[in-house]
Amino acid sequence: EADIYQTPRYLVIGTGKKITLECSQTMGHDKMYWYQQDPGMELHLIHYSYGVNSTEKGDLSSESTVSRIRTEHFPLTLESARPSHTSQYLCASSDREAYGYTFGSGTRLTVV
Amino acid sequence: AQSVTQLGSHVSVSEGALVLLRCNYSSSVPPYLFWYVQYPNQGLQLLLKYTTGATLVKGINGFEAEFKKSETSFHLTKPSAHMSDAAEYFCAVSKGQAGTALIFGKGTTLSVSS
Repeated sequence: EADIYQTPRYLVIGTGKKITLECSQTMGHDKMYWYQQDPGMELHLIHYSYGVNSTEKGDLSSESTVSRIRTEHFPLTLESARPSHTSQYLCASSDREAYGYTFGSGTRLTVV
Repeated sequence: AQSVTQLGSHVSVSEGALVLLRCNYSSSVPPYLFWYVQYPNQGLQLLLKYTTGATLVKGINGFEAEFKKSETSFHLTKPSAHMSDAAEYFCAVSKGQAGTALIFGKGTTLSVSS
């Protein structure tokens, strides 16, 4: 039973559109993360949050933005989608690093 | 800086054969180490982890891994492969300190043939 939910699972959208990828968790975890994963490639951290009103950029530069107004919710927004944003986006949460992360099922985004 | 190297982007085994997926890490402090599995079009699922204590850790689906500090390795093994083991496997390392996130390797695709 998944405790972290990502919607939509698949999204095809035109260039220039604004999109928001949703991520919610029911475990009360303070730490949440967004990773970008291209097919057959490693995961790159693009954003993370260690609590409400706390957000940081990750190792991979991204044009997306995030917000953390509620503990359980960590949405990612692209103001103007481009084909280069086509990728899979994975959301994760954690209580402590020693416990590892719980991942959502991912959103596969295609920008045409 | 921490890093993870997974040797072999693609490993192929026959059903019933030993599975060995290699992972080497670099870390300036004692690390936390993880193996995750990813099935097609899904997120990552934790297989097993090493934090402290016993260096041989057992995970789900019959997998295990051994932390070898002298070799900076954390290889994943399973005595007998099953068709359902075909997936992408990721090794990850964390310093276990506040303000750090997991660093993932590039992944190894495991194929199992009958």
